[in-house]
Amino acid sequence: AQSVAQPEDQVNVAEGNPLTVKCTYSVSGNPYLFWYVQYPNRGLQFLLKYITGDNLVKGSYGFEAEFNKSQTSFHLKKPSALVSDSALYFCAVRAPYSSASKIIFGSGTRLSIRP
Amino acid sequence: NAGVMQNPRHLVRRRGQEARLRCSPMKGHSHVYWYRQLPEEGLKFMVYLQKENIIDESGMPKERFSAEFPKEGPSILRIQQVVRGDSAAYFCASSPEGTRNSPYEQYFGPGTRLTVT
Repeated sequence: AQSVAQPEDQVNVAEGNPLTVKCTYSVSGNPYLFWYVQYPNRGLQFLLKYITGDNLVKGSYGFEAEFNKSQTSFHLKKPSALVSDSALYFCAVRAPYSSASKIIFGSGTRLSIRP
Repeated sequence: NAGVMQNPRHLVRRRGQEARLRCSPMKGHSHVYWYRQLPEEGLKFMVYLQKENIIDESGMPKERFSAEFPKEGPSILRIQQVVRGDSAAYFCASSPEGTRNSPYEQYFGPGTRLTVT
């Protein structure tokens, strides 16, 4: 069965410092991986995805994520955090050749950027 | 191109009443997904629909909950005889297609926050 884990409930970073939000997954075969962000009282916004190809994926708002097959990870990163990056971040995984409804979301990581 | 629309944004119902949540997908999207989110929790899949078809309802409670996506008009998530435990945020998402090996991401609406008193 496929699963995704976000081991940190909360990540605190000072503005201007690099940030990392961790995600590990378990799925048979090569996964489809996604990151979404949720601001208060809003729906999820798509940030980026990995389907195939280059392991480093660049997305919206300066975020990027690196697919690491050996470590089954897809950590979200940004070189320099902004206060406006403070939000709830969700990693999601979907097994290849599976229905689009079989996407599994992590429990979320709350990112807090202090000025 | 308008995004996914959901209404109402907030809905208050007394126990035993019916809740009807509406979702209009993005233009060009023919697949709709409904999720439930409890406070400080992730999203739980409920149902996946195509026009006039339910593709996957494995996440939907067997009783009181139903969903439809008619040929014309929005998708509707209907909760009959609501109970306090139904209080949650309900999100709709849409995608161009949902077939196997189509790696399209889902685009989410702003959600409907249901409160059962």
